[in-house]
Amino acid sequence: QQQVKQSPQSLIVQKGGISIINCAYENTAFDYFPWYQQFPGKGPALLIAIRPDVSEKKEGRFTISFNKSAKQFSLHIMDSQPGDSATYFCAASGTSYDKVIFGPGTSLSVIP
Amino acid sequence: DTAVSQTPKYLVTQMGNDKSIKCEQNLGHDTMYWYKQDSKKFLKIMFSYNNKELIINETVPNRFSPKSPDKAHLNLHINSLELGDSAVYFCASSPLGGGSYEQYFGPGTRLTVT
Repeated sequence: QQQVKQSPQSLIVQKGGISIINCAYENTAFDYFPWYQQFPGKGPALLIAIRPDVSEKKEGRFTISFNKSAKQFSLHIMDSQPGDSATYFCAASGTSYDKVIFGPGTSLSVIP
Repeated sequence: DTAVSQTPKYLVTQMGNDKSIKCEQNLGHDTMYWYKQDSKKFLKIMFSYNNKELIINETVPNRFSPKSPDKAHLNLHINSLELGDSAVYFCASSPLGGGSYEQYFGPGTRLTVT
């Protein structure tokens, strides 16, 4: 019930295209749904986060869409650039939990 | 200024040896963690400490022992290293409790056991 599912496992997008990563969760007690970005050889870094009472949050080219009834959320990267090539993790967390539940990750490659 | 630092960055050792990884954060956070990332990039939490107190101890072999001398430091000692321990180990910290979505990760320590 604490699992966060993520798809696709890997994604190849042309420069300028839209990258879409989808996640799903089961437990409705989560308070926050963050996304982390990890470049090769680096630690994950918080990219953007959303609360379940918000349907969409946008920061620059990155947008989280949230569907509370379906228990799904997704990350859209508009105008994808080669510099966006990284592994992306969706996650779920909450004040009633003692840890963050991470999805298995999506490896994104943006090709010129 | 580095927020979460780890040493060493790379660690190559033989089976059966004992090794330690050190972590320090200068963010003033109360909660610190150790994660293991395997070759498939899956992030698995191992331990979390809140103000030097152990909060989470996931299903980790007791060859792994964390130590928190103060709330800015969380070290990981591994006894009798095995091939399966090869992975990247990340230290992280967060300003709130263990369930805080806002986590700051260190650069990782790549452990290779031969």
